[in-house]
Amino acid sequence: EAGVVQSPRYKIIEKKQPVAFWCNPISGHNTLYWYRQNLGQGPELLIRYENEEAVDDSQLPKDRFSAERLKGVDSTLKIQPAELGDSAVYLCASSSSERHEQYFGPGTRLTVT
Amino acid sequence: GEDVEQSLFLSVREGDSSVINCTYTDSSSTYLYWYKQEPGAGLQLLTYIFSNMDMKQDQRLTVLLNKKDKHLSLRIADTQTGDSAIYFCAASYAGNNRKLIWGLGTSLAVNP
Repeated sequence: EAGVVQSPRYKIIEKKQPVAFWCNPISGHNTLYWYRQNLGQGPELLIRYENEEAVDDSQLPKDRFSAERLKGVDSTLKIQPAELGDSAVYLCASSSSERHEQYFGPGTRLTVT
Repeated sequence: GEDVEQSLFLSVREGDSSVINCTYTDSSSTYLYWYKQEPGAGLQLLTYIFSNMDMKQDQRLTVLLNKKDKHLSLRIADTQTGDSAIYFCAASYAGNNRKLIWGLGTSLAVNP
């Protein structure tokens, strides 16, 4: 069974530019999570989807971050415009409705210069 | 608010046992997890324990839970150099098994 897929793995952009990250969850997993992980920290939840509905986006900085999961499968997280402080690893995870364990993708390492 | 704390560093010799400790504050946490993160990689779920259990063993891994003291530990037997990584403890929020509180991670260094 394929794991959570994320792309790109690395992205370097200048501040004020837009950037987008893509995630494809494990097949059949209807819950999808986007996390941000800063160096030396644990993951911080940005948004959680149940199918296509965002059920927890309280930590998403809505002035510059947006996310979508239109068909309830893959998802895109966007930052526009990026700031220096957005440099981090963006992790996607998924879980099934029957079980609670979250499975993570490899992450996208974003560097904003 | 709810919190999870871990010691930041642990160094062991190859072949010894490693014990990584974690304390949490939310006594209603239903599930407690251990994840492993290698450099440049995502988080790998190692194991988890349900709050009504005291111990769970899976090959070289043993998880102990002291619910009274809100203390969780992960023991790795016969530690190998491939076990060098950061280990994260996470606890689920009461009533919401899909929301996790994360520790800062323990960096395990295994010396040959």
